[in-house]
Parts: sequence; structure tokens; C-alpha cells
Amino acid sequence: GENVEQHPSTLSVQEGDSAVIKCTYSDSASNYFPWYKQELGKGPQLIIDIRSNVGEKKDQRIAVTLNKTAKHFSLHITETQPEDSAVYFCAATNNFGNEKLTFGTGTRLTIIP
Amino acid sequence: DAGVIQSPRHEVTEMGQEVTLRCKPISGHDYLFWYRQTMMRGLELLIYFNNNVPIDDSGMPEDRFSAKMPNASFSTLKIQPSEPRDSAVYFCASSLWGEAHTDTQYFGPGTRLTVL
Repeated sequence: GENVEQHPSTLSVQEGDSAVIKCTYSDSASNYFPWYKQELGKGPQLIIDIRSNVGEKKDQRIAVTLNKTAKHFSLHITETQPEDSAVYFCAATNNFGNEKLTFGTGTRLTIIP
Repeated sequence: DAGVIQSPRHEVTEMGQEVTLRCKPISGHDYLFWYRQTMMRGLELLIYFNNNVPIDDSGMPEDRFSAKMPNASFSTLKIQPSEPRDSAVYFCASSLWGEAHTDTQYFGPGTRLTVL
């Protein structure tokens, strides 16, 4: 089955700086890679996703890059703000009719004002 | 839409008691997932349903756990008997495959279970 590793487990950055979280996956058949943000006391919420036919996707201050050859993908947050403080999870799946997501272990991001 | 609805939000029970967690998925969604989240093990998929049929229950820890989906708008996760190690936050999520193949899983707010 799929195995997803995520690094770092904790990350602190100054407000306004950039944050990068990295994930690797094991199943070369995986082709859908979402990122979720979980705030305290809430369920995870999708913030951005990428499919295997795309190398990069951007949504305002958030971007995700994918390297299928190396089987890794990364989340980039620029111009960080205090409200970006949360736990971020990456995930991977082979979505050919199978919706089962395998999640990484999470990164606790703290933005220092 | 109100999103995925879970009840109760908090549950405190004593070891050996039966616990039932409830979930109402987003209307029209055809997939429903139950996850457990702990500090030690992170987010674990317990079971998921497609069109009310269980597809993969390999994540269910043991026979004390059971899940049902009697119709498209309701699912339960039952633990009987409960044990202290079952203490965790349990999330329900739903998604729509259909023609859009959107994949996005929408999570509920979770049920925090404490077994004393």
C-alpha cells in the first residue's frame, strides 16, 4: 500500500517569511495529492491539490509542486500571516475509482509575529 | 450546504460502555469515510463506504468497532465495549466521485471521545 512521509514535524517562521513543507510517497501509481489545513478543534480542510499531469499549481499565497520521478511534493506558503498557524497534512491516492487517501503525519506550523 | 455534520461533538464514557458516533454527509456525496486521529498514530482511515456499501474496513482496529450506513444521509460508528485506548478524535468525511471525479474529501468537525 501507499506510504506518505512528511517533514518537518514542526516549523516556525517569522511573519512575512515563506514556509515549505515536504512529502514523499511510495506508490508510483498515486496521481492525486491534496493538502489539508487543520486548525485547533476543527476537522482538516482542503487548501490546495495537484494531479500528476501537472508539475505546479498556485492559489494566491499557496503553491504546490510535484516531482513524479522523485515521488515527492511540496507545499509553499509565501508572505506568511498569523492565521496560517495550523497543522498541515499532505496526502496521496490513486484515484482510479478508489478514494482512499493516505495521509502524512502532519506539520505544525507556527507563525511568529 | 451545512457541510458534514457529526454528533456528539464530545463524548465521555466509562470503560466497557457502548459508544455510538453519528455522521450526516454532504447531500449528494457518494463516498463516506471514518477516520481516527491521535497524537501517536495521526490520521488513520478506519472504513469507507461507496453508495452506502462498505468498501474497505481494513483499518478497523478490532471486532469491537463496527460501522453502518443504512442510507445515503446517515452513518454510525459503534464501539462496544469501549476501552481507554479508544480515546481519540473521530472524523467523518464525505466526497463526490460521480462524473466530476473531484476527489475532495470534506471533513466534519469531529467527535472527541474520552473513555475513562
